[in-house]
Amino acid sequence: SQQGEEDPQALSIQEGENATMNCSYKTSINNLQWYRQNSGRGLVHLILIRSNEREKHSGRLRVTLDTSKKSSSLLITASRAADTASYFCATDTGRRALTFGSGTRLQVQP
Amino acid sequence: EAEVAQSPRYKITEKSQAVAFWCDPISGHATLYWYRQILGQGPELLVQFQDESVVDDSQLPKDRFSAERLKGVDSTLKIQPAELGDSAMYLCASSPRTGTDTQYFGPGTRLTVL
Repeated sequence: SQQGEEDPQALSIQEGENATMNCSYKTSINNLQWYRQNSGRGLVHLILIRSNEREKHSGRLRVTLDTSKKSSSLLITASRAADTASYFCATDTGRRALTFGSGTRLQVQP
Repeated sequence: EAEVAQSPRYKITEKSQAVAFWCDPISGHATLYWYRQILGQGPELLVQFQDESVVDDSQLPKDRFSAERLKGVDSTLKIQPAELGDSAMYLCASSPRTGTDTQYFGPGTRLTVL
């Protein structure tokens, strides 16, 4: 079973626009991670936010975490065509390996 | 930059045949994971190794799937016999230790069962 659920399932934007995707989860976590997957490829780690952090930045990425609402958001600013991919949140509950959500498919139109 | 290697990249097989996938993790990574990803969904853990020991195989269909990591380095995942529902991407990942570390993924093996 999947712990996290991303929203929206699919997102299409124009190059230069910002993209926001959300993740909700069910149980307490140690940290939450975001991964990107290009079509037919493996996953690439983007950013990790710990349960005691509320916001984290990495380049054009901004992640927020609200443990009271059991939700996280990933913001990609000034999107590029190369950002086209699927984005997954993954939760670490400390009990077993990461549990991945169902993903958001992002399409950035040039 | 070190990468996780997987082979083959693509495998087409007929129902009831046996298939095997190989993974070579990043050198020095003690933890190795096998995931299955059905099209349009996120990866789901099949088995997790810490060195040569299985840490978690609760989601591994043991009647047909087996996994080993004999020397605590590379690993093989086997399906025998393959069923139509096994068509998926099989991903291998590794991390320096179990727990909260970032996982590094290989390119995956796309399995199609006819």
